[in-house]
Amino acid sequence: KQEVTQIPAALSVPEGENLVLNCSFTDSAIYNLQWFRQDPGKGLTSLLLIQSSQREQTSGRLNASLDKSSGRSTLYIAASQPGDSATYLCAVFSGGYNKLIFGAGTRLAVHP
Amino acid sequence: KAGVTQTPRYLIKTRGQQVTLSCSPISGHRSVSWYQQTPGQGLQFLFEYFSETQRNKGNFPGRFSGRQFSNSRSEMNVSTLELGDSALYLCASSSPFRTAEDEQFFGPGTRLTVL
Repeated sequence: KQEVTQIPAALSVPEGENLVLNCSFTDSAIYNLQWFRQDPGKGLTSLLLIQSSQREQTSGRLNASLDKSSGRSTLYIAASQPGDSATYLCAVFSGGYNKLIFGAGTRLAVHP
Repeated sequence: KAGVTQTPRYLIKTRGQQVTLSCSPISGHRSVSWYQQTPGQGLQFLFEYFSETQRNKGNFPGRFSGRQFSNSRSEMNVSTLELGDSALYLCASSSPFRTAEDEQFFGPGTRLTVL
């Protein structure tokens, strides 16, 4: 049974810091991994999708890496800003028609 | 291109009632998935529909059901509501192709409160 863990659960940093959010999964047989952002009370915004054959994806100040063999992914946020404050969720797809398995998320607060 | 839309955005019901939530996917997307998000259990998969057929179902009681129409819009229904059904219900749509490996796009959710 696939399980997804995110560390840390919460993070508070001053503006400008570079951050690393971690995601681990127990079954390395995944098709893809997706990172999302969720603002309080809102839906999920897709940030990055990494296919199983890829090692990393980049979008602006965000970079996500994937190491299937070790069951890990990291989301790197460069030069953090207060607007980055949100909960970041990672989810893996390992089969079963669009059934994503989510981690519990990392709640990020970036203060000026 | 319009995103995934969900209606209503907020609902308040009492125990024992039933509720229907609606989701309209991104134009051209034929797969719609539903998730329940609660503080205690996080995000959990409910079911997925493609071309009006349920292809996958999560571990939820039979009180939770859904359907998809020919225009890909989907509804989910919860009967005999319980306090524990209070949650944010999220809908996601993905690829027009018959694959299951594509990026999923989520709607804003419907916040259901059961009193």
